[in-house]
Amino acid sequence: DTGVSQNPRHKITKRGQNVTFRCDPISEHNRLYWYRQTLGQGPEFLTYFQNEAQLEKSRLLSDRFSAERPKGSFSTLEIQRTEQGDSAMYLCASSLETGGDQPQHFGDGTRLSIL
Amino acid sequence: AQSVTQLDSHVSVSEGTPVLLRCNYSSSYSPSLFWYVQHPNKGLQLLLKYTSAATLVKGINGFEAEFKKSETSFHLTKPSAHMSDAAEYFCVVSRGKLIFGQGTELSVKP
Repeated sequence: DTGVSQNPRHKITKRGQNVTFRCDPISEHNRLYWYRQTLGQGPEFLTYFQNEAQLEKSRLLSDRFSAERPKGSFSTLEIQRTEQGDSAMYLCASSLETGGDQPQHFGDGTRLSIL
Repeated sequence: AQSVTQLDSHVSVSEGTPVLLRCNYSSSYSPSLFWYVQHPNKGLQLLLKYTSAATLVKGINGFEAEFKKSETSFHLTKPSAHMSDAAEYFCVVSRGKLIFGQGTELSVKP
């Protein structure tokens, strides 16, 4: 079990640029979640996948945000035309859903800073 | 709708004294509840999980939590705090996706 891996750990970019983050879940996990955490707050749900299917998206996920999980393994989260308000920690989690609420295992996150 | 409220934004204890972090939940049905811990600039680590099998749940690092339906509470406790326990703690209710409380920052004084 190598855990959930997120890359990069830190991303600094100018407003208006596009950014992409990657998440590699625990290998046998079929569910993958993205959350956003701003300073001093708890994480907020963005979206999740079961295998390659994106099953739910939060209202927080504006049309500038897109997430994919093309082969049901790793996932990418892209933000287009970044804004100051996008500065946050982006967390990825995975779980093995067999019925019921299984614990989600988190990566260390990608911290995005918009200049 | 499901939600959790963490009653203290910051708790400070001395090393070796008990820890109590308070959480109330709101759920229209029997909830799945978790406590997660987050150290600075790190992801979240699962401390413990409640899923109705037992009301007293034991977790890692000596933490435990008691589910009280009558009080809609799920408080986290530890008998003796250690310096390494200093971190942010989140009470979480699950509905597939996780719904987090605002967090409680625990400080441990030597």
